[in-house]
Amino acid sequence: DGGITQSPKYLFRKEGQNVTLSCEQNLNHDAMYWYRQDPGQGLRLIYYSQIVNDFQKGDIAEGYSVSREKKESFPLTVTSAQKNPTAFYLCASRTSGGGNTIYFGEGSWLTVV
Amino acid sequence: AQKVTQAQTEISVVEKEDVTLDCVYETRDTTYYLFWYKQPPSGELVFLIRRNSFDEQNEISGRYSWNFQKSTSSFNFTITASQVVDSAVYFCALSEAQGYSTLTFGKGTMLLVSP
Repeated sequence: DGGITQSPKYLFRKEGQNVTLSCEQNLNHDAMYWYRQDPGQGLRLIYYSQIVNDFQKGDIAEGYSVSREKKESFPLTVTSAQKNPTAFYLCASRTSGGGNTIYFGEGSWLTVV
Repeated sequence: AQKVTQAQTEISVVEKEDVTLDCVYETRDTTYYLFWYKQPPSGELVFLIRRNSFDEQNEISGRYSWNFQKSTSSFNFTITASQVVDSAVYFCALSEAQGYSTLTFGKGTMLLVSP
């Protein structure tokens, strides 16, 4: 089936550890995005990428890193520098063309213990 | 800068009631897109509708309808004869019209439909 796959669904991390969230899409979309969701805060943009080997910071990029080595993959690393990483993380993608719909994966819950 | 405001944090209704979710936006762009997404308890955001700034026609899809009024910068969403399965968080979002522009989200409205 076509879509956006995020893994793992649930992840626990000890303080001081880096963790990488996977995002894969087989929709042949050019652009990919990472959003963070906190209760009552809506969704906030972490990073986005329009083409392979290029990406831009969003509103809350500090403490996160990404790579875009392949069109279909856009992994997000939550580093130990992220002071409050416990949240729900959503990956998304879209085709080229202004206003095209952004589609989302099922999300990953990250808890720091 | 773009901004989306969903003033209703939480709404509770009884099944079969009609309910309207409000969305007010701010943008300096003359061309833009508005979206509604549904987030059920499972967490995935489900796309419901996209509307461009030049199309002010209201739209109806089954029990769902959308009222876009450019004059008041509002894009409200009405569910007619609500059902328990409509219980979810609903997000309104705004996007520029160029390239791979990102979405600016409101904080969401949690809708609880009781049987």
